[in-house]
Amino acid sequence: DAKTTQPPSMDCAEGRAANLPCNHSTISGNEYVYWYRQIHSQGPQYIIHGLKNNETNEMASLIITEDRKSSTLILPHATLRDTAVYYCIVRVERHDYKLSFGAGTTVTVRA
Amino acid sequence: DTGVSQDPRHKITKRGQNVTFRCDPISEHNRLYWYRQTLGQGPEFLTYFQNEAQLEKSRLLSDRFSAERPKGSFSTLEIQRTEQGDSAMYLCASSPTGSSTTTQYFGPGTRLLVL
Repeated sequence: DAKTTQPPSMDCAEGRAANLPCNHSTISGNEYVYWYRQIHSQGPQYIIHGLKNNETNEMASLIITEDRKSSTLILPHATLRDTAVYYCIVRVERHDYKLSFGAGTTVTVRA
Repeated sequence: DTGVSQDPRHKITKRGQNVTFRCDPISEHNRLYWYRQTLGQGPEFLTYFQNEAQLEKSRLLSDRFSAERPKGSFSTLEIQRTEQGDSAMYLCASSPTGSSTTTQYFGPGTRLLVL
């Protein structure tokens, strides 16, 4: 019962912004949008999360549409080290303990 | 580094053998999670502890799997009578309670290969 839809792969040029889309058309009012990434052979790494407002931290920005049915993760200046699988997850804060990962988007940053 | 640690990082075993993995969460995180990840797939939830209590188990956790967290600190995941289908990456994560976010922080994983 996938709650999110992401493109399977995308390429990005080093130094350019990478915009990763995610559709979550059935999201409920109390569900947050989380983004994790997983670099090859490592554990998933938390990136950012949000409810309805746009969020920014040192790693990325999260833009959530007004109807909350989709979001975009922005890596402002992609580097080769950003090559990874990026997962978009929706979950209820504090109640939905497990993270339900889909297949994610494989992002390849090219020099 | 005070992140989540897992041991061993790699394990090769023969079918039918028992294996045990260890996870040390971030200090003072009282929630601990186990996930399994097969090649090309995202991680799948296996089980979850709050302190020493195991509160939820996935149907993926067959009778051959057992997880413990005896003192509410480190946790072990044991697989008895391993099968080739158990070959996967086993991931551990931890999170705090009582804060405004329940972000889970993952360890590097234990990669199991059953021959």
